[in-house]
Amino acid sequence: NAGVTQTPKFQVLKTGQSMTLQCAQDMNHNSMYWYRQDPGMGLRLIYYSASEGTTDKGEVPNGYNVSRLNKREFSLRLESAAPSQTSVYFCASSPRTGTGSETQYFGPGTRLLVL
Amino acid sequence: AQSVTQLDSHVSVSEGTPVLLRCNYSSSYSPSLFWYVQHPNKGLQLLLKYTSAATLVKGINGFEAEFKKSETSFHLTKPSAHMSDAAEYFCVVSDRNRGSTLGRLYFGRGTQLTVWP
Repeated sequence: NAGVTQTPKFQVLKTGQSMTLQCAQDMNHNSMYWYRQDPGMGLRLIYYSASEGTTDKGEVPNGYNVSRLNKREFSLRLESAAPSQTSVYFCASSPRTGTGSETQYFGPGTRLLVL
Repeated sequence: AQSVTQLDSHVSVSEGTPVLLRCNYSSSYSPSLFWYVQHPNKGLQLLLKYTSAATLVKGINGFEAEFKKSETSFHLTKPSAHMSDAAEYFCVVSDRNRGSTLGRLYFGRGTQLTVWP
């Protein structure tokens, strides 16, 4: 009954530090996504993975890298954190049935503060 | 190109009165449209979605939305607000272009719903 899980739930970094946000889903979904949420901006897509072995940039990819480790796991890495990356990060997954109408299922989020 | 405009950033209603959250969309293809809800410090939960079947879509917790192609709108309504409805609501359009972006979601900026007792 886990769905999409994210770790950590909360993190404080200093400018220039690196970290990896972890995401895993147990629904056997093909597609996975990373979003950031900032006040008044909705959710913006950072990177996505349409299927295992592929990754693509979204709207705001600068300063991030991703790895689709296997079908279950999709990680987001900040190589050198900046205060502008202070945000709430959400991972999501969807089955990708080929219709473009798939529901995305979201994790609980990671709150990141960069000082 | 796909985009969504939520016409109100904040809506306040009294408990027991109707709720109307407005959304207009732009899509190059026949759209799929969603409403998601986010309660404080929580993830996003699907309320309902439209995928070219019935134009009036019923969702969870008494919410419904009507797809109006002529008006490019997908407004969310509920006849009687409850205190537990207080949350942020996102209108979302899905990319149905059969390329690498198939299935990508484009979010509106959100509407914060406050429910007064």
